Amino acid sequence: EEQLVQSGAEVKKPGESLKISCKAFGYSFPDYWIGWVRQMPGRRPEWMGIIYPADSDTRYSPSFQGQVSISADKSINTAYLQWSSLKASDTATYYCARHQGSHTMFRGVVINSYYYYMDVWGKGTTVIVSS
Amino acid sequence: DIVMTQSPDSLAVSLGERATINCKSSQSVLHSSNNRIHLAWYQQKPGQPPKLLISWASTRESGVPDRFSGSGSGTDFTLTINALQAEDVAVYYCQQYYTPPNTFGQGTKLEIK
Repeated sequence: EEQLVQSGAEVKKPGESLKISCKAFGYSFPDYWIGWVRQMPGRRPEWMGIIYPADSDTRYSPSFQGQVSISADKSINTAYLQWSSLKASDTATYYCARHQGSHTMFRGVVINSYYYYMDVWGKGTTVIVSS
Repeated sequence: DIVMTQSPDSLAVSLGERATINCKSSQSVLHSSNNRIHLAWYQQKPGQPPKLLISWASTRESGVPDRFSGSGSGTDFTLTINALQAEDVAVYYCQQYYTPPNTFGQGTKLEIK
């Protein structure tokens, strides 16, 4: 079964660092874009950014660029979302999600990658930042 | 960013009746590279992650009941739920993946009348 298993809830203080994880099972992890989505209580989901584990190509939403760091370790099928200095406004549930996508190839080389909708989701990691 | 606007914000429908949720994008999400509409619909129940229902505006995900259907073109899209069941109570979101950042509508809360 294809699934994404996220790390557990966190309670942190402002200014602290944090790295949460998302481990993939049941599919070829390097071959799919995997993204992170923030959802504050009662609000719409917000797409934060995405990584292609095969080559670590990473893209960020302008709203989150410089605020978080996305990484992946394809040897252990795991993606990460990291903060260097948390703020109270980072309090939210964070989901990882696999994106369906496609590639444009030229002579056997990927020259462009596209990512689309999110078809497999983790259960979410709740992060509470409070003094 | 492409702005996605849903209507209504909330909706109460009787069991067995039809629910219709609308979504409007601030620009076309029809991509010329593949001539496909880059729009998805998700269902989210309390305490759960969003669940993909429909991609490419009208392609139902495997395992999704056929009472769920998507339609639309250009900038106006509709999610229709026929013969509403109690388990359909949820918040429904549209999302564009035409261009990053992939943005969601504000959600429509569906309840039983």
